[in-house]
Amino acid sequence: GAVVSQHPSRVICKSGTSVKIECRSLDFQATTMFWYRQFPKKSLMLMATSNEGSKATYEQGVEKDKFLINHASLTLSTLTVTSAHPEDSSFYICSARGPGPTLNEQFFGPGTRLTVL
Amino acid sequence: QQQVKQSPQSLIVQKGGISIINCAYENTAFDYFPWYQQFPGKGPALLIAIRPDVSEKKEGRFTISFNKSAKQFSLHIMDSQPGDSATYFCAASPRGGYQKVTFGTGTKLQVIP
Repeated sequence: GAVVSQHPSRVICKSGTSVKIECRSLDFQATTMFWYRQFPKKSLMLMATSNEGSKATYEQGVEKDKFLINHASLTLSTLTVTSAHPEDSSFYICSARGPGPTLNEQFFGPGTRLTVL
Repeated sequence: QQQVKQSPQSLIVQKGGISIINCAYENTAFDYFPWYQQFPGKGPALLIAIRPDVSEKKEGRFTISFNKSAKQFSLHIMDSQPGDSATYFCAASPRGGYQKVTFGTGTKLQVIP
């Protein structure tokens, strides 16, 4: 149980295009999902917290107009990188608040490797 | 105050040995302390977690030791195996259902045969 999927797992795009990444909780309802960015050999950097049916809360320094987050249902959140540039190339990981007895528990997706040429 | 400091940055352990990773925090509001294991190109996976009302939690070869007064916690991997080679992140979050998790900087563990 508590499986989170991401799609696509890997995407290569041209500079200036937009890319959408999907995050799904497969066997539980997730009222809260989180989006992280991870640079090579670095820790996870929280980008935003996404609550179903409301606007995402972005961390300081994260451009909300560039990284559009939508949490349309209890099992799906999407991250759209708009007008992507090479500096947006990174590993993007989502997580979902788990269904278990502890509300702190997060389950992570497998990540999406974005490469912007 | 939100930081979680993790050490060492990298660790090489002989197969069968004990791997020890340490973390320290400042925020006394932290109430939940998970450890995550991450393999290259994959998302982190929850390994084991502890709350401050206990000083130790063991699951198989993995043990968390927690020192509330020192605000430190550590992960011990007993009988380390090459398959344990991965990056390990400690983390912490405050009490409350919707609090974000603060991650440590990560430790790259290599278990050599």
